[in-house]
Amino acid sequence: DAMVIQNPRYQVTQFGKPVTLSCSQTLNHNVMYWYQQKSSQAPKLLFHYYDKDFNNEADTPDNFQSRRPNTSFCFLDIRSPGLGDAAMYLCATSLGEVTSTDTQYFGPGTRLTVL
Amino acid sequence: AQSVTQLDSHVSVSEGTPVLLRCNYSSSYSPSLFWYVQHPNKGLQLLLKYTSAATLVKGINGFEAEFKKSETSFHLTKPSAHMSDAAEYFCVVTRSGSARQLTFGSGTQLTVLP
Repeated sequence: DAMVIQNPRYQVTQFGKPVTLSCSQTLNHNVMYWYQQKSSQAPKLLFHYYDKDFNNEADTPDNFQSRRPNTSFCFLDIRSPGLGDAAMYLCATSLGEVTSTDTQYFGPGTRLTVL
Repeated sequence: AQSVTQLDSHVSVSEGTPVLLRCNYSSSYSPSLFWYVQHPNKGLQLLLKYTSAATLVKGINGFEAEFKKSETSFHLTKPSAHMSDAAEYFCVVTRSGSARQLTFGSGTQLTVLP
């Protein structure tokens, strides 16, 4: 089945220690997104890639970076995690056509704990 | 500008009784509307979407929603709740032609009592 895959599902890191979260997709979608979701809150968009074009949200901290080496993979790098970065990180994809039917499909998420 | 208001942060129903999760939206453009469900420690799963076709939209797991432009509402319903329906539900609006600009509601936690 075509899907959005995130690894690992659970990640524990130490305060200030860089961490990378991974997302892959078999949908061959043009757009990949990263969201941060804190407890009992709605997901918050950090950035997205349309193909190789990177689009950062205005309020995304510089501590968060992303890479998309090819269509299938996208990575979220947190350079110096703080306690406030503990959250669920969701990857999503969409075909990217500018139509009203374009839909975002989400992966299962990575739960990040910062000690 | 667009916004979404989920009118109830928590809804509790008994198994086998109807479910109603309320959502009102505001949009300057022709909106596309979605309902997503999120089970604990899981990602978001698409339940259904409205994209200017039929106003009554049927989704997975017996859920449906009706787009009412005059009331700017997109309420989610299910005739009979199942224990497995217990989860967080998000109503989402996007401007037509722009899937990147999702606006999420604050979520409704559905509890299903035995």
